[in-house]
Amino acid sequence: QVQLVQSGAEVKKPGASVKVSCKTSGYTFTSYYMHWVRQAPGQGLEWMGIINPSGGSTNYAQKFQGRVTMTRDTSTSTVYMELSSLRSEDTAVYYCARGPDSRIVGATIDFDYWGQGTLVTVSS
Amino acid sequence: DIQMTQSPSSLSASVGDRVTITCRASQSIGTYLNWYQQKPGKAPNLLIYAASSLQSGVPSRFSGSGSGTDFTLTISSLQPADFATYYCQQSYNTPRTFGQGTKLEIK
Repeated sequence: QVQLVQSGAEVKKPGASVKVSCKTSGYTFTSYYMHWVRQAPGQGLEWMGIINPSGGSTNYAQKFQGRVTMTRDTSTSTVYMELSSLRSEDTAVYYCARGPDSRIVGATIDFDYWGQGTLVTVSS
Repeated sequence: DIQMTQSPSSLSASVGDRVTITCRASQSIGTYLNWYQQKPGKAPNLLIYAASSLQSGVPSRFSGSGSGTDFTLTISSLQPADFATYYCQQSYNTPRTFGQGTKLEIK
């Protein structure tokens, strides 16, 4: 069965960086895009970006351009999201979520599997 | 960016009620529209994809309709497990965008 397992909670000081991992299993890692989404306490869902695990290409939300880096390790079927220059407003639960099948043009199933979430707290 | 607007923001209903949540896109997105349910402390769960296709394992009391800019999620007969927050989201292009959410509460 498809599983996305994220790394544990983090506490960081303002200005620091955080790197969250998302280890996948149960499907062909390089055949599906992967999204990152965050949710601040009591707020809605905010899309951060997407990575194609096959070639490593990325597309980031403009809000996070210059601060976010998404990478992957095909040997361990793991994707990573690193966010730098953290501020208190970055306190949120960060989720990875499987994207569309990259082999299908116009694939419609998106965000069908999610990680359990990683709480990142930014506090001095 | 495509803006997604849900209504209502909150809704009180009783077990057995029929409930409809609407979602409007700021431009046409065809049927690239998904619906999610989220319970406190949990990741969202995909209910409906491509506007009207029921995700595997989701009860048939959930249904979706619409195309272009106007979409609806209907729960035909509310069950206790359905009290949660619901989000719509467009997969037409990037950046992916979500509605602000509809919190469904017990009356």
